[in-house]
Amino acid sequence: EPEVTQTPSHQVTQMGQEVILRCVPISNHLYFYWYRQILGQKVEFLVSFYNNEISEKSEIFDDQFSVERPDGSNFTLKIRSTKLEDSAMYFCASSETGRVGELFFGEGSRLTVL
Amino acid sequence: SQQGEEDPQALSIQEGENATMNCSYKTSINNLQWYRQNSGRGLVHLILIRSNEREKHSGRLRVTLDTSKKSSSLLITASRAADTASYFCATDDNYGQNFVFGPGTRLSVLP
Repeated sequence: EPEVTQTPSHQVTQMGQEVILRCVPISNHLYFYWYRQILGQKVEFLVSFYNNEISEKSEIFDDQFSVERPDGSNFTLKIRSTKLEDSAMYFCASSETGRVGELFFGEGSRLTVL
Repeated sequence: SQQGEEDPQALSIQEGENATMNCSYKTSINNLQWYRQNSGRGLVHLILIRSNEREKHSGRLRVTLDTSKKSSSLLITASRAADTASYFCATDDNYGQNFVFGPGTRLSVLP
């Protein structure tokens, strides 16, 4: 069964460092998302991406964040200068049909900022 | 904001009992979805109900939607220990393409 894959599964970084989280969405999907979940808390929307551009972003997704689809398969989330409060699980999701369809999530990348 | 809120926050039941979780939201929706998350894992889609549907079944799951009350419920019948997880409702909005998740219900099914 096709699945969304994310790497790395866990990354530890120093405050102020840049981090890139990678995702390979399901191949025929057109809509891509990043969510984050601080430990034990709710799943928060960061950004949605369609047709090679950001469709929507939340207040969390400030200038420190960026997304890119560098080739036909990868979808990346970059945090330019990490802060302690960026420590969370970051989930990538993809969808075939956008808001009218289900989201398929990856297993997440745990980011720990020291 | 367009946010679902589940209740209860936590639910503990015995194996074999039914579990009911509720979700309320604020504005009109196209559809509402329920997801499950095992501890430390990704979210898994369970069921989607469209705004013109009132009830939907999938195996031991039953979802209802009352758009007049802006609420939905997820019923898991004959629960098993393996159903232990967090359950989230997610709603879309009519303008954007993102889904907003509620804080979730943590279900513990005791053997």
